[in-house]
This record gives sequence, structure tokens and C-alpha cells, in this order.
Amino acid sequence: SYELTQPPSVSVSPGQTASITCSGNKLGDKYVCWYQQKPGQSPVLVIYQDNKRPSGIPERFSGSNSGNTATLTISGTQAMDEADYYCQAWDSTTVVFGGGTKLTVL
Amino acid sequence: EVQLVQSGAEVKKPGESLKISCKGSGYSFISYWIGWVRQMPGKGLEWMGIIYGGDSDTRYSPSFQGQVTISADKSISTVYLQWSSLKASDTAMFYCVRLRIVGINPRGSFDIWGQGTMVTVSS
Repeated sequence: SYELTQPPSVSVSPGQTASITCSGNKLGDKYVCWYQQKPGQSPVLVIYQDNKRPSGIPERFSGSNSGNTATLTISGTQAMDEADYYCQAWDSTTVVFGGGTKLTVL
Repeated sequence: EVQLVQSGAEVKKPGESLKISCKGSGYSFISYWIGWVRQMPGKGLEWMGIIYGGDSDTRYSPSFQGQVTISADKSISTVYLQWSSLKASDTAMFYCVRLRIVGINPRGSFDIWGQGTMVTVSS
């Protein structure tokens, strides 16, 4: 079965750029999206179709996808961005989630 | 406002059956796919399956095929997730989710998430 691999944790200082990767075989051939989940809340879509932001998502969130790796980038990271982040793609008719990355802003 | 409203938390015993619900509003129910996502305590997201509101075409994750049943009643814009015999390992938060893209072929991202239904299975 298809797998998406994320680092368990990423740390960033406030105001700096955070990068969270998601790796999978030929992932660049698929569309990737990203979700943010804060403690006790439902996940929220922050990036779809590799690099598109839904309405209401700040411009500091961006995405890219090429080769075997997709990346979620948060520029000028704020304390409110501390959360778990999950990548997601389709493998044929199956939805696949990455294992999630805990972003710590310190 | 587009939203998915799920039924409340459940506490069940092993071997019992359960059906939880997810009601969509603010959009055309028959045009979208609605799915279910499991999140076990302290763990990540797992896709369970998806159903099309228009004709109840249903697709399951191989991991959940035969373990749960997904159904829909378009007359009341509601999707269900059902277990016939719960196990302690079914304890989790369950989210219903809407696929962003309209159409008969499921693809893309989940743009609307329900508030979650916590299911606790314990003797």
C-alpha cells in the first residue's frame, strides 16, 4: 500500500520559516493537500492541489510538490501556528494520510 | 454556512452495535462525497471510506472494509457510520468530512470537517 512519510516533529522560532516535508513514491505525480489540527479541534484544510490556499488561510502558508517530496512552508511563523500538520494524497481510489508532524514554535 | 454536524459522544460495551450520524447543511448534499476519518487517542488521521450523496456509491479503505458500514439518507442529508459488534480497539474520535470537488469521481481534499464524535468502547 502507498505510504506518506512525515517527520514526527519540527521546531521553529517565532518569525522564522518552518518547512514540513511529506515523502512518497512519485508523490509529485499526485496532488497533495495539508491539514492543520490544533489540540481538541477538528483538522482544517490549509493547502490543496499542492499549493492553493482555501479562503481564510493566511498567505504565510504555502506548498510545493515535486519528485518524491511535498513541502508545507510557513513563513513568519506565529505562535498560533503551533499544531499538528498532516499531508494527504490519493493513491488510485484510496485516500492516504501522512503520519503527522507536530510543529513547535519556541 | 456549509457545515457537517455530527451526533454526540457514545459510550458502549464490547459486542454492542452503534450507528453515528453526520448531517450536512448549506450545500447540495447530492453533489458531494462525504467520508469518515478515524483518529485514535493521541494518534494520526486514518481514512475509513467515502459515500456519494447522489447515489450512495460507497468506497472503503482496505483497512476498514468489512469492519464498518457507511450509508446515507439523502432525504435528510445525513451520512451514517455503523458497527455491528464493537471492540475496545474501536475507541476513537470519528470525523465526517466533505470532499471539496463536486462530481461522481472522488478525488482531492476534504474542505469541511464535522466536529467529531468520540466513541468509547469499554467493559
